[in-house]
Amino acid sequence: AQSVTQLDSQVPVFEEAPVELRCNYSSSVSVYLFWYVQYPNQGLQLLLKYLSGSTLVKGINGFEAEFNKSQTSFHLRKPSVHISDTAEYFCAVSDLRDYKLSFGAGTTVTVRA
Amino acid sequence: GAGVSQSPSNKVTEKGKDVELRCDPISGHTALYWYRQSLGQGLEFLIYFQGNSAPDKSGLPSDRFSAERTGGSVSTLTIQRTQQEDSAVYLCASSLDGTDTQYFGPGTRLTVL
Repeated sequence: AQSVTQLDSQVPVFEEAPVELRCNYSSSVSVYLFWYVQYPNQGLQLLLKYLSGSTLVKGINGFEAEFNKSQTSFHLRKPSVHISDTAEYFCAVSDLRDYKLSFGAGTTVTVRA
Repeated sequence: GAGVSQSPSNKVTEKGKDVELRCDPISGHTALYWYRQSLGQGLEFLIYFQGNSAPDKSGLPSDRFSAERTGGSVSTLTIQRTQQEDSAVYLCASSLDGTDTQYFGPGTRLTVL
């Protein structure tokens, strides 16, 4: 079984500032890693995913994440945020056997002008 | 193309009543998942259908919950004798073959009075 820990429940940030959302996971097997975003009253939208290969993954809307196997981390970053990035962000992991997603508790990002 | 759709978008019911929630996956996707998002438990896996295989029901919280998938497409999640703790947003996702990215629907918000 896997588990995911998102280290920050709330992250306030000013517009055009950088943001980093931290995610650590635990698993006894190889995993796939994902970041999803949920805008108010909407479903989950995939931002990016790591399956294999390059540890730096680029996603939509200028987001990127880096897989660090030794630290079992998959932190999400954006160099300059917009008001429209205000949303809840979920880190998720699945193993290669059944592909069920295990989610972190989520990080609420609030971007202020 | 069309994404995952769910109906109804909102459902208010009285304690003890049965409810049915519907999910239409993306056309051609063989894998279908149900998840539940609640304040106390976060996002949790409920059930997984893959093609004609027996569903993985390991996430269903009680025997009041059941789901079926007819013709390898539409799925219905049924909750019998609803309880207040069933109040949550129920999310459906589909993927091409179970190994690919999961695409989520907008969810059904269930409120049990």
